[in-house]
Amino acid sequence: DTGVSQDPRHKITKRGQNVTFRCDPISEHNRLYWYRQTLGQGPEFLTYFQNEAQLEKSRLLSDRFSAERPKGSFSTLEIQRTEQGDSAMYLCASSLGFGGQKVNEQFFGPGTRLTVL
Amino acid sequence: QKEVEQDPGPLSVPEGAIVSLNCTYSNSAFQYFMWYRQYSRKGPELLMYTYSSGNKEDGRFTAQVDKSSKYISLFIRDSQPSDSATYLCAMDQGAQKLVFGQGTRLTINP
Repeated sequence: DTGVSQDPRHKITKRGQNVTFRCDPISEHNRLYWYRQTLGQGPEFLTYFQNEAQLEKSRLLSDRFSAERPKGSFSTLEIQRTEQGDSAMYLCASSLGFGGQKVNEQFFGPGTRLTVL
Repeated sequence: QKEVEQDPGPLSVPEGAIVSLNCTYSNSAFQYFMWYRQYSRKGPELLMYTYSSGNKEDGRFTAQVDKSSKYISLFIRDSQPSDSATYLCAMDQGAQKLVFGQGTRLTINP
């Protein structure tokens, strides 16, 4: 399967614990995005990488959230001191970005569903 | 006010019907308009994208953009039960991040 993969698919944790999610983009894609989706809502942008550089962060991304993409390939999203309000689906997407490309075709992974008890 | 508004439904139609899904937006800087389909507990799947005003057709799907009215539509002809899903509109002003609507939950009844 050459699509975007995410691990784990489901995570249940207790409030106050730290969690880390992983995303593996489509191999030739240099752009990687994280979104959060709550029940009955559309995905909301969290942050975006081009290669290893984190270029934009939403104000939704509080200090408890950190994302990395150390070698420009896979990415991790860590949430520290989880709160019940963090319960959501965390989606990763990737796109092939190059100079002159206009259409931002983002391909999404299956998501990691986080439940904070 | 949200940048992108989409009626969450639910919308239920009989098999074979023509389905019309719509979004309105307030940010005139949006240039690219997309429709994603999301099955339950899955990630969104890109269906169609359009740039600027006009129509684009792909099989049973037609995407329509009216920038003057800040209104986009997705039409599904000859709807099938397998089309039952949540349909998300998404928009991009060239700033890389997509701004999504709330999603419309669609059910096609056999």
